[in-house]
Amino acid sequence: DAGVTQSPTHLIKTRGQHVTLRCSPISGHKSVSWYQQVLGQGPQFIFQYYEKEERGRGNFPDRFSARQFPNYSSELNVNALLLGDSALYLCASSLGLSYNSPLHFGNGTRLTVT
Amino acid sequence: GQQVMQIPQYQHVQEGEDFTTYCNSSTTLSNIQWYKQRPGGHPVFLIQLVKSGEVKKQKRLTFQFGEAKKNSSLHITATQTTDVGTYFCAGPGRETSGSRLTFGEGTQLTVNP
Repeated sequence: DAGVTQSPTHLIKTRGQHVTLRCSPISGHKSVSWYQQVLGQGPQFIFQYYEKEERGRGNFPDRFSARQFPNYSSELNVNALLLGDSALYLCASSLGLSYNSPLHFGNGTRLTVT
Repeated sequence: GQQVMQIPQYQHVQEGEDFTTYCNSSTTLSNIQWYKQRPGGHPVFLIQLVKSGEVKKQKRLTFQFGEAKKNSSLHITATQTTDVGTYFCAGPGRETSGSRLTFGEGTQLTVNP
């Protein structure tokens, strides 16, 4: 079975630009979450979507937005990029909405903002 | 907000030595999860502990959940080079629904052969 797939793998953007990251969950998983991982730190929660509805939002500015499509894939959008947005963006899918559902992470998108 | 802290931040061991990482939460947790991230990789789920005082073993790995459900530990017996990576603990937020997790900073383990 295919795991969580994310695209692109790497991305270089300049300050002020916007970026769209994509994620396809494991087949059968209806929940998708996005995490930001800065080098040397643990992943930080950005969003969770379940059945196309936002179910949770972390402490991130409104420049960050996301959506989930009918096939449960998801996009994370970041506008007006700042240098501090440089990080590994991880998408994770889980079977259900509950906190008892372990997260299955993709390989991530490495975003560099110059 | 909820905080999850891990110590130590780094641990260097000789192959064959034991290793322990500790995790403490500022709030009582309904469960705690452990993940391993290899260098250049993504976090991979290891285990989930739910009950107070629970102990689970996976081969050379032993996981414990504290009686008060605010702390946890991961112990690796006789480390091997394949154990290299960063180990994260993570706990759910206060929300009654959703799988939002708060991760600790991680303990980076290096093993000298």
